[in-house]
Amino acid sequence: EAGVAQSPRYKIIEKRQSVAFWCNPISGHATLYWYQQILGQGPKLLIQFQNNGVVDDSQLPKDRFSAERLKGVDSTLKIQPAKLEDSAVYLCASSPRDSYNEQFFGPGTRLTVL
Amino acid sequence: SQQGEEDPQALSIQEGENATMNCSYKTSINNLQWYRQNSGRGLVHLILIRSNEREKHSGRLRVTLDTSKKSSSLLITASRAADTASYFCATDVGGAQKLVFGQGTRLTINP
Repeated sequence: EAGVAQSPRYKIIEKRQSVAFWCNPISGHATLYWYQQILGQGPKLLIQFQNNGVVDDSQLPKDRFSAERLKGVDSTLKIQPAKLEDSAVYLCASSPRDSYNEQFFGPGTRLTVL
Repeated sequence: SQQGEEDPQALSIQEGENATMNCSYKTSINNLQWYRQNSGRGLVHLILIRSNEREKHSGRLRVTLDTSKKSSSLLITASRAADTASYFCATDVGGAQKLVFGQGTRLTINP
């Protein structure tokens, strides 16, 4: 079974630029999560989708971050404009419907904002 | 806000020794999980313990949960170099269907 795919793996941008990350969850998984992991910290949930609907985006900085999951499969996370403090690893995870407990994580995208 | 706090933040032991990591949390939970993260990689689910369980085993892993103290421990027995990683506890918060992760313990196994 293929795991959660993310791209790109690494991205370096200047502050105030835009960036987008892509995630393809495990086939059949209804729930998709985006986490931000700052160096030395645990992952922090940014947004949670159930199919193509948003379940929780309470910690998403909506003035600069946006995410979508069209057709309830792939998802993109966008930052516009980026700030220095956005430097982090962005992790995508998925889980089967009604099974938020065991989440399967992708390898992450390491973003560096200069 | 942070729900889980791991202790210690870093742990270095010799191969073959046992490693113990602790996690404390603040609010009531339905379950607590432990994840492992190898350097530069995503997280891997290790074990889940429910609030009505006190101890659970999986291979060389032993997890305990004390809901009265709001704490959990992860024991890795007979450690191996491949166990070098960061370990995170994660809890659901008040029944919400999402996980909140702690800061993690960075474990180094020396050959």
